[in-house]
Amino acid sequence: SQKIEQNSEALNIQEGKTATLTCNYTNYSPAYLQWYRQDPGRGPVFLLLIRENEKEKRKERLKVTFDTTLKQSLFHITASQPADSATYLCALDEDSSYKLIFGSGTRLLVRP
Amino acid sequence: DVKVTQSSRYLVKRTGEKVFLECVQDMDHENMFWYRQDPGLGLRLIYFSYDVKMKEKGDIPEGYSVSREKKERFSLILESASTNQTSMYLCAGNSGYSEQFFGPGTRLTVL
Repeated sequence: SQKIEQNSEALNIQEGKTATLTCNYTNYSPAYLQWYRQDPGRGPVFLLLIRENEKEKRKERLKVTFDTTLKQSLFHITASQPADSATYLCALDEDSSYKLIFGSGTRLLVRP
Repeated sequence: DVKVTQSSRYLVKRTGEKVFLECVQDMDHENMFWYRQDPGLGLRLIYFSYDVKMKEKGDIPEGYSVSREKKERFSLILESASTNQTSMYLCAGNSGYSEQFFGPGTRLTVL
């Protein structure tokens, strides 16, 4: 069956450092991958989309990589700030459909 | 500004009650989705709709139904609420294969 894995343990880093979050998947050949941010008690907010033929995508302090051979995406936040503290979800399309399969998310804590 | 709104932020219902969760979007999205989110399980798709009056089952449709009579409105119905339907319910919309825009969520408690 299709499976997406994100580290369930919280990532705790110092302000100013680079945060790196991992998303691994099995039994998939997604056409694209998305990352979302979710704050407690709120709906997820879209951050970045990367397609299968793209290796890397950047937006301000955010960078996403997509390795279809390793079946892995890495999400980086450079110069992290306490305001970046949130849960980050990755999501893959299911068989190139409108449907997304979400990982359970990784909580990021940035210490001042 | 893009808006997906949900009728209630918090809702408390009793077992056996019929529950309606409403979602409205003002982006002219073709697609709309209902998810539930539980700790450790992530977001799970209940139903989605890709056009007015069209609906498709997601991964966990049991105990739920949906209605989409107008493009901007997608309703989730719990025919007879049960305690295991206590959860955070999230509505989302998008067009094509783009990012999904989520509402603020409804935290439903079934007693």
